[in-house]
Amino acid sequence: SAVISQKPSRDICQRGTSLTIQCQVDSQVTMMFWYRQQPGQSLTLIATANQGSEATYESGFVIDKFPISRPNLTFSTLTVSNMSPEDSSIYLCSVDAGTDTQYFGPGTRLTVL
Amino acid sequence: EDQVTQSPEALRLQEGESSSLNCSYTVSGLRGLFWYRQDPGKGPEFLFTLYSAGEEKEKERLKATLTKKESFLHITAPKPEDSATYLCAVRWQGGKLIFGQGTELSVKP
Repeated sequence: SAVISQKPSRDICQRGTSLTIQCQVDSQVTMMFWYRQQPGQSLTLIATANQGSEATYESGFVIDKFPISRPNLTFSTLTVSNMSPEDSSIYLCSVDAGTDTQYFGPGTRLTVL
Repeated sequence: EDQVTQSPEALRLQEGESSSLNCSYTVSGLRGLFWYRQDPGKGPEFLFTLYSAGEEKEKERLKATLTKKESFLHITAPKPEDSATYLCAVRWQGGKLIFGQGTELSVKP
């Protein structure tokens, strides 16, 4: 398994601003993933972040809105840019621990006013 | 279209009342089916991975089974601390994890 931490755990932001979410893993992993969970909904994959290459975005998500960094094998950031109330969600980081199983961080609860 | 459907959406049980949650899927080339537990405001907690039809996994009061088209999460003599949303996810040959909508379980004392 993997131990994953996220910062911040929650934030309240104003419309039009940006927030960067950090994800730290306790071991080196090749693949990291960012998900969004809107209120009352299940998880939707935003993008896959591999170290040393550009992130791969899912349909409906674009780099200008959700830029991702992956500077090393234990760390990644997701930025939510030019936020609107529709971006209010829980954002989750996960990692593939090499056993086909994904482990998730505790999430970042974002509220946009 | 690859799809994962969970039922029921919500389930209310009395403490000790056993039941089952269902996860049906239409995915080509299954690479694994996963069960997670999610408490309010927290990230999903991994429970089980199942790879092939007939496989079973157990952990305390939970038992997961898999057929070619669906999986069941059986809860035996549940306790209030088992209350959570249970998520099913399927990984297909393309590699992506597809999540169902979840079953919200409430166990009353």
